[in-house]
Amino acid sequence: QKEVEQNSGPLSVPEGAIASLNCTYSDRVSQSFFWYRQYSGKSPELIMSIYSNGDKEDGRFTAQLNKASQYVSLLIRDSQPSDSATYLCAVNRGSSASKIIFGSGTRLSIRP
Amino acid sequence: GAGVSQSPRYKVAKRGQDVALRCDPISGHVSLFWYQQALGQGPEFLTYFQNEAQLDKSGLPSDRFFAERPEGSVSTLKIQRTQQEDSAVYLCASSRDRNSGANVLTFGAGSRLTVL
Repeated sequence: QKEVEQNSGPLSVPEGAIASLNCTYSDRVSQSFFWYRQYSGKSPELIMSIYSNGDKEDGRFTAQLNKASQYVSLLIRDSQPSDSATYLCAVNRGSSASKIIFGSGTRLSIRP
Repeated sequence: GAGVSQSPRYKVAKRGQDVALRCDPISGHVSLFWYQQALGQGPEFLTYFQNEAQLDKSGLPSDRFFAERPEGSVSTLKIQRTQQEDSAVYLCASSRDRNSGANVLTFGAGSRLTVL
């Protein structure tokens, strides 16, 4: 079992709709959770970080964390063609010596 | 510097050659990570430094891979006797503070290695 699992997609969503991306993780002591966006041929860039159970909203993006179920999700409202990218979920234990583990990413395509 | 700088951006090596990839993190950033990203995959953790100390090297695939950060700033990832399976993009990322759990990563543009 991989430490961080994502559906590879592609996930196709019409423009203006809500895109829902999911991620599960295996290490119960994980404390910090991140969503990165990666355009083709580019490096990952941070979209959201979340550290406690519940929802965290930032503009059109909402991150949701459920530690009991060991999943984290990202909702993108009013999807735009510019949101088409690969979305990477990343997880960290939270201690100073711990590594940040990435999932394999979900490819999202917003169709006009 | 303003961002994380990696060089070379592209490297073509013949199988068996040694290569060295350089990462210049954001000035003052304490933590530095190396990742390997194959085509269509997520970044795979290689190693992590806090200042000059290599705290975790569990992701290095073999003893052909070696990383250092001798003065706590610039880091070099060295791959000896390259193999075709080493072909990938090598990403370097840095973060501001010691606690990598609370701080986010800023990535460099990556070094794309192709081994023929």
